[in-house]
This record gives sequence, structure tokens and C-alpha cells, in this order.
Amino acid sequence: GAVVSQHPSWVICKSGTSVKIECRSLDFQATTMFWYRQFPKQSLMLMATSNEGSKATYEQGVEKDKFLINHASLTLSTLTVTSAHPEDSSFYICSATQGLAGVYNEQFFGPGTRLTVL
Amino acid sequence: GDSVTQMEGPVTLSEEAFLTINCTYTATGYPSLFWYVQYPGEGLQLLLKATKADDKGSNKGFEATYRKETTSFHLEKGSVQVSDSAVYFCALSEPNTGNQFYFGTGTSLTVIP
Repeated sequence: GAVVSQHPSWVICKSGTSVKIECRSLDFQATTMFWYRQFPKQSLMLMATSNEGSKATYEQGVEKDKFLINHASLTLSTLTVTSAHPEDSSFYICSATQGLAGVYNEQFFGPGTRLTVL
Repeated sequence: GDSVTQMEGPVTLSEEAFLTINCTYTATGYPSLFWYVQYPGEGLQLLLKATKADDKGSNKGFEATYRKETTSFHLEKGSVQVSDSAVYFCALSEPNTGNQFYFGTGTSLTVIP
């Protein structure tokens, strides 16, 4: 199957700093990428849907100025957690799909990035 | 709207026991159904999928059948191993929601020797 990578796999930062997480589709063009957040022992919460070349669509309750998403190319989306605080500590997972309209599109998940804010 | 309801855990089984994790769904269209597995500290891995009614997905001894009449996609395995210990997520996706995934809450499985 297709491969999605995330970088870094884990990051520790100080409160108030910004952290960028990259999500790459390695062997296919991803028209659509999704960003999820997973709290310990809980399910994945969709944060936003990112389409190449357009602004991300954020889910209700997700601060778009706090979680900046850029999908500048068909193989790369970035999530920047701005002015991170300890409550932003979480496991962030991206997924990517070709995003063909009206048909089944398999979604491929990255391995996740664990963010710890001190 | 679309949603997935999954059996709550945690589930603890002895090695070689039979496993069932229940999953039911609500969807407005014709979804594809998935089971994902997450091992400790790792991301999600696709375990199996079914894209239409009556399809059976299978992988690594796990099976699930897409039952439209009962809107269910229960995960089963005849004989679990210690290495199957993980969290299992049921999910659905359908084209008319932009391929967005809806996940169940996850079921933690621990298999003891």
C-alpha cells in the first residue's frame, strides 16, 4: 500500500514556542490530507481537512489560528502548533488520500507525532 | 450524521481464545467500513476493510463482514495471540462526505499467555 510519513516522530518543546509537523505522501499524490489528534486512551478526533492549494477546513472547536495547516503541494501538508502550551501535548496523526470525487478513496495514515509541551 | 459505535473495552483474553469486537454504524449513504489497529506508541494500521454490503474483509486471521441489514461490521478472530494486544478502531468513510473518516472510540485488547 501507499506510504505516508510524518516528521518528527516525537518532539518536546517549551511552552510558548511553535512546532511544525510534516506529513508526506511518499508514493502517491494526495489531493486531500486530514489531521487528527488523539488523546491518551481515546479515539482520533478530526481537527481539519486540507486540500492542496486551498485553505484548510477546520472542525468545530479547533482554533485555526492555533493550529496552522498548509497543504502547499500534492505530497506535503504541514501542521504548525503555534505558541504551544502543555494542554496541546498529544499524539497528532495525519492521513492522506487521492481524494477522487464520488468514489472510494483509501486513506493512508502516517505513524503519528507525539508532541510534549513542557 | 455519520457515526460509529464500538464495543467498549478493555478486553482481556487468554491466548487462543475467540475474539469478537462489536461495531455498528450510522451512515447517510453507502460507506466503506474499516478496522484499524494501533500498537502501543504507533500510528494506525489498516487491518481490513469492506467496501460494499456482504463483503468480508480478512487479514492475519481477523475477519469482519459488512452487514447492511444490521448496520454492523463486527471484528472476529478464532484464536488470538499475545501479539494481537493492541487498540482496535472501527471506522467508516463515504464519498459524499469528502472521504472523511468517522472512528469508533477504540477497544483495547490485551491477550495474556
